[in-house]
Amino acid sequence: DTAVSQTPKYLVTQMGNDKSIKCEQNLGHDTMYWYKQDSKKFLKIMFSYNNKELIINETVPNRFSPKSPDKAHLNLHINSLELGDSAVYFCASSRKDRGNSPLHFGNGTRLTVT
Amino acid sequence: DQQVKQNSPSLSVQEGRISILNCDYTNSMFDYFLWYKKYPAEGPTFLISISSIKDKNEDGRFTVFLNKSAKHLSLHIVPSQPGDSAVYFCAADSNTGNQFYFGTGTSLTVIP
Repeated sequence: DTAVSQTPKYLVTQMGNDKSIKCEQNLGHDTMYWYKQDSKKFLKIMFSYNNKELIINETVPNRFSPKSPDKAHLNLHINSLELGDSAVYFCASSRKDRGNSPLHFGNGTRLTVT
Repeated sequence: DQQVKQNSPSLSVQEGRISILNCDYTNSMFDYFLWYKKYPAEGPTFLISISSIKDKNEDGRFTVFLNKSAKHLSLHIVPSQPGDSAVYFCAADSNTGNQFYFGTGTSLTVIP
């Protein structure tokens, strides 16, 4: 059973399109995240949600909009895609209500904008 | 501003020898440190962690050491095996924080 699953694994699209990436976790965690891994392999936080509420929104263009319909899901919608959005996007979850708890990642979505 | 740094992008070690991966951090509020292993086309997988109240944590072949005064942690893998070849990320968190900060990774190659 996959703990954190995200779909699709690969996404190739043209500039200007709108796309979504879905994420689900079955670990019972209360906090979910989106991380972006850029071409330099640096993992950078984009958003963090705790119990469906946004608690972090780093410097991310407002073309990116996270949606958390419930504690187990955190989807990422991207409008008007640009070439610079090409990256690998990782969904993750953790259990913040129990103090120190590791982050669990999905397998990533490789987005290529042409 | 990178709060967690891994200054060695790559490391090669002979099978059976010790691998030592290093990580430095700048934020003294961090109280929880982790190591992740990542294979190509997969997400990072949690390997081992250490709380700031400890200076060592061991799990099988993997040991993490924490030097709070130097703001430095290291991961020791002994003996190294070819299957350990992967990218290793260190990460840090604080109990009051809302995100995990990651280093840029060290690519470990274990030569058979």
